[in-house]
Amino acid sequence: SAVISQKPSRDICQRGTSLTIQCQVDSQVTMMFWYRQQPGQSLTLIATANQGSEATYESGFVIDKFPISRPNLTFSTLTVSNMSPEDSSIYLCSAANGMNTEAFFGQGTRLTVV
Amino acid sequence: EDQVTQSPEALRLQEGESSSLNCSYTVSGLRGLFWYRQDPGKGPEFLFTLYSAGEEKEKERLKATLTKKESFLHITAPKPEDSATYLCAVRGTRRNTPLVFGKGTRLSVIA
Repeated sequence: SAVISQKPSRDICQRGTSLTIQCQVDSQVTMMFWYRQQPGQSLTLIATANQGSEATYESGFVIDKFPISRPNLTFSTLTVSNMSPEDSSIYLCSAANGMNTEAFFGQGTRLTVV
Repeated sequence: EDQVTQSPEALRLQEGESSSLNCSYTVSGLRGLFWYRQDPGKGPEFLFTLYSAGEEKEKERLKATLTKKESFLHITAPKPEDSATYLCAVRGTRRNTPLVFGKGTRLSVIA
């Protein structure tokens, strides 16, 4: 199994600002993902972070709002840009070694936009 | 479109009272069905992967089973520490298809 560390664990941000969330995996992984989990709801995939190329975004999520980097096989960042209160949520990093295998999750970043 | 429906939304059990959680799914070819446990304020913790109908997996008081349309998570003689939200997710066989999660079952076990 992979151990995934996310930073920060929580933050309170002013509207209109941006926050970058970091995700570090303790071993090289093929796939990394970013999810959003709103209060009382399940997980929604934002994008797949591709190493060395642009991320693949799900319907309803765009690169200008959620730019993602993945410079190597163990690290990724998600930026939440030009934040509004509607962006208040938990953001989760996930990693897997293939489509047939389980995905592991970080502890999440609880974001509150005021 | 791949879909996952979990029931019940919430379940309250007395310690030692066994029960089952349901996960119904529709998917264009099943690559895998996954069960996770999520405690408040934490990320999901992986429990089981099931790949084909008839498969079963066990871990302590938990047992997961799979049919062609649904999966069950059986909890035998639960303890208060089993209280958590249990999430079910599926991945289909279409190229680059993501994990699709259900909304979860919130389990409370009362001593």
